[in-house]
Amino acid sequence: GAVVSQHPSWVICKSGTSVKIECRSLDFQATTMFWYRQFPKQSLMLMATSNEGSKATYEQGVEKDKFLINHASLTLSTLTVTSAHPEDSSFYICSARGVAGATDTQYFGPGTRLTVL
Amino acid sequence: DQQVKQNSPSLSVQEGRISILNCDYTNSMFDYFLWYKKYPAEGPTFLISISSIKDKNEDGRFTVFLNKSAKHLSLHIVPSQPGDSAVYFCAASPIGDKLIFGTGTRLQVFP
Repeated sequence: GAVVSQHPSWVICKSGTSVKIECRSLDFQATTMFWYRQFPKQSLMLMATSNEGSKATYEQGVEKDKFLINHASLTLSTLTVTSAHPEDSSFYICSARGVAGATDTQYFGPGTRLTVL
Repeated sequence: DQQVKQNSPSLSVQEGRISILNCDYTNSMFDYFLWYKKYPAEGPTFLISISSIKDKNEDGRFTVFLNKSAKHLSLHIVPSQPGDSAVYFCAASPIGDKLIFGTGTRLQVFP
């Protein structure tokens, strides 16, 4: 099956620092990757959609200068939380969707727990 | 405006019996529907999907039913096992577009 990895699985950082989260599709090429955020006992909230080689499309209310997304290759997307603050503490999950003509299913990574002190 | 709704936040089922999880949607442009299973502190795991041209899709113990006229889909798990205990999310999208998730239903399967 399609496997998506995320690194790191958890991170604790001080307020004001930046944190980078990597999302990789391990056994398929992902033309599109998605970044979600989940608060406790809530549904997944889509933050942004990124296509390889182009700028990410952010959902309404998501600050693009704060959450930098880079989709440099068909197997790697990164999310950088810049100048993190305690309110950015959350569970961040990426997903990847295969190339056109293949499945439309999104496959999710295991998530990254970010705690900002 | 919640386009995908899971009205039951929780469901408790005895092992061996059928679990039925329900999902309603409002957007008639949705063409593709999926169910995901999620454990705490993990990413969702894809279970099963169905496109709007079908009304049923089956994979092992999991069957998804789609009623387009009612804008309703359901996931049946038969027989239910304790390992099925998790939060189940339904999701919908126009094909090729972003997924819209429901709020999830917590399933507990007890012995």
